[in-house]
Amino acid sequence: DGGITQSPKYLFRKEGQNVTLSCEQNLNHDAMYWYRQDPGQGLRLIYYSQIVNDFQKGDIAEGYSVSREKKESFPLTVTSAQKNPTAFYLCATSGTGIFYGYTFGSGTRLTVV
Amino acid sequence: GEDVEQSLFLSVREGDSSVINCTYTDSSSTYLYWYKQEPGAGLQLLTYIFSNMDMKQDQRLTVLLNKKDKHLSLRIADTQTGDSAIYFCAERQGRKLIWGLGTSLAVNP
Repeated sequence: DGGITQSPKYLFRKEGQNVTLSCEQNLNHDAMYWYRQDPGQGLRLIYYSQIVNDFQKGDIAEGYSVSREKKESFPLTVTSAQKNPTAFYLCATSGTGIFYGYTFGSGTRLTVV
Repeated sequence: GEDVEQSLFLSVREGDSSVINCTYTDSSSTYLYWYKQEPGAGLQLLTYIFSNMDMKQDQRLTVLLNKKDKHLSLRIADTQTGDSAIYFCAERQGRKLIWGLGTSLAVNP
């Protein structure tokens, strides 16, 4: 089945550590996105990539980094510079289908301990 | 501005209809979407409508679009406890989706 796989589902980070969240897709979609979700704040865009080897900052990119070396993969690194990383992180893709909607992964919940 | 606005909470009784409202901003032709998010999960596309349509129906879901007022609504008929979730409205602007904050729907037995 085609889809998006985010891993791990739960992740715990100590203060000062970098952690990497995985997002893999087999939908053959060109565009990929990372969102952060906090209670009552909806979805906030961190980074997005519309093509391999290219990505752009979203609204809250500070303290995060990404890479897009393969079409299928768009990992997100939460660096120690991100002061409040505890949140639910969602990866999404978008193809060139007739309605240009997004397809979402199941999310990773990151907690700082 | 580019805000998409939704009310934050809605509570209904099981078996009643739910109506979730959204206002958007872009007056040009675009797609508008409704997504559902269950606790601890990703977002699932429920339905979409193109801005040249007034209504779209899909089983228990009815989407109404008032282009003059830039108002979008999602009606869920015969609401069930399994419909309890957060519902997001989104508007396509160019290659981006602009999201509302989500409406949390509580279904009471």
